[in-house]
Amino acid sequence: DAKTTQPNSMESNEEEPVHLPCNHSTISGTDYIHWYRQLPSQGPEYVIHGLTSNVNNRMASLAIAEDRKSSTLILHRATLRDAAVYYCILRDVMDSSYKLIFGSGTRLLVRP
Amino acid sequence: EPEVTQTPSHQVTQMGQEVILRCVPISNHLYFYWYRQILGQKVEFLVSFYNNEISEKSEIFDDQFSVERPDGSNFTLKIRSTKLEDSAMYFCASSDRTGSNQPQHFGDGTRLSIL
Repeated sequence: DAKTTQPNSMESNEEEPVHLPCNHSTISGTDYIHWYRQLPSQGPEYVIHGLTSNVNNRMASLAIAEDRKSSTLILHRATLRDAAVYYCILRDVMDSSYKLIFGSGTRLLVRP
Repeated sequence: EPEVTQTPSHQVTQMGQEVILRCVPISNHLYFYWYRQILGQKVEFLVSFYNNEISEKSEIFDDQFSVERPDGSNFTLKIRSTKLEDSAMYFCASSDRTGSNQPQHFGDGTRLSIL
């Protein structure tokens, strides 16, 4: 799986939007961009994924750069419950491996 | 919303003893996984399982580890002779299909403490 780079930590105020960046300059054309998060004392939780186009779901939005070398996870209104470690993971559709490879992620702190 | 459930939430075991961690994946899912997370470290893949056999395993998953789907609902991880370094959170996950666009759904884990 191609490597991703994320900031170690970010802070946000409650009810404000949060933009979590991820760089993946060596992404291949067959890599999907996945985001998971891990709340304190819980297992990882799937958030969203995309290939080329921006994606929206009930949890978040995923904005993918035109050259696909970076992406941004957008939480439209952060809540205290969104405080978690956010992982950006690339998964190659051509890869027969099933595993997720977690990096260190971005620890998001949400201030009340 | 369906969820993956794991039991027990916390297991304390003497070094050298066998331990079995249990998971109930989401009912219509066909692919099952175990991951672990040592305190303060990254989540690491251990093994994936499909059609009653191991699909892939990591270097961590040595002969001391085994997995089984003993019935239509449970998926277990057994560590035969535990070591201190096996202390970690163990997460079970499942997905309804494999492929790089399929999300994996995780349980909240079992904290394994080896004394």
